[in-house]
Amino acid sequence: KQEVTQIPAALSVPEGENLVLNCSFTDSAIYNLQWFRQDPGKGLTSLLLIQSSQREQTSGRLNASLDKSSGRSTLYIAASQPGDSATYLCAVSGGYQKVTFGIGTKLQVIP
Amino acid sequence: DTEVTQTPKHLVMGMTNKKSLKCEQHMGHRAMYWYKQKAKKPPELMFVYSYEKLSINESVPSRFSPECPNSSLLNLHLHALQPEDSALYLCASSQERGLFTDTQYFGPGTRLTVL
Repeated sequence: KQEVTQIPAALSVPEGENLVLNCSFTDSAIYNLQWFRQDPGKGLTSLLLIQSSQREQTSGRLNASLDKSSGRSTLYIAASQPGDSATYLCAVSGGYQKVTFGIGTKLQVIP
Repeated sequence: DTEVTQTPKHLVMGMTNKKSLKCEQHMGHRAMYWYKQKAKKPPELMFVYSYEKLSINESVPSRFSPECPNSSLLNLHLHALQPEDSALYLCASSQERGLFTDTQYFGPGTRLTVL
């Protein structure tokens, strides 16, 4: 059974700081990994999708890496802003369970 | 247009009611999904439609009945729900050259409360 863990569960940083969010998964037989952000009570916004054959993806201040063999992904956010405050979830696709989400990291960026 | 819309935003229903949730996308996506998300929990996959046919049913109770009338529209019919079914119901879509291979775009969700 695929299990997805995100550490830390919550993170508070001052504005302007660079930060890293972590996602680990137990079964390396995946199709892809996707990072989302979710604002309270809202839907999910896709940030980055990394296919299993890729090592990283970048979009603006965001960079996501994938190390399939070790079952890890990181989301790097550069020069954090208060508007980045949200819960960040990673989701792994592939295998019998189709898609498995982590419980998320709640990020607060303090002005 | 990368928008998935969901109606209603909020729904309160009794255990004997019948109601429906609606999801719509006009991105030409051929896969559509229903998820259920309880407070402080990750989304859980319920159903997947691919090319308007039900591809995946994650052992969801029959009181939830999905329907895909056309490639742009996805409904979730609700009947005889239980209070524990109260949750945020999320719809998503993707291009779907293969199941779960493409970026999923989510709607804002319907907040359902069952009394």
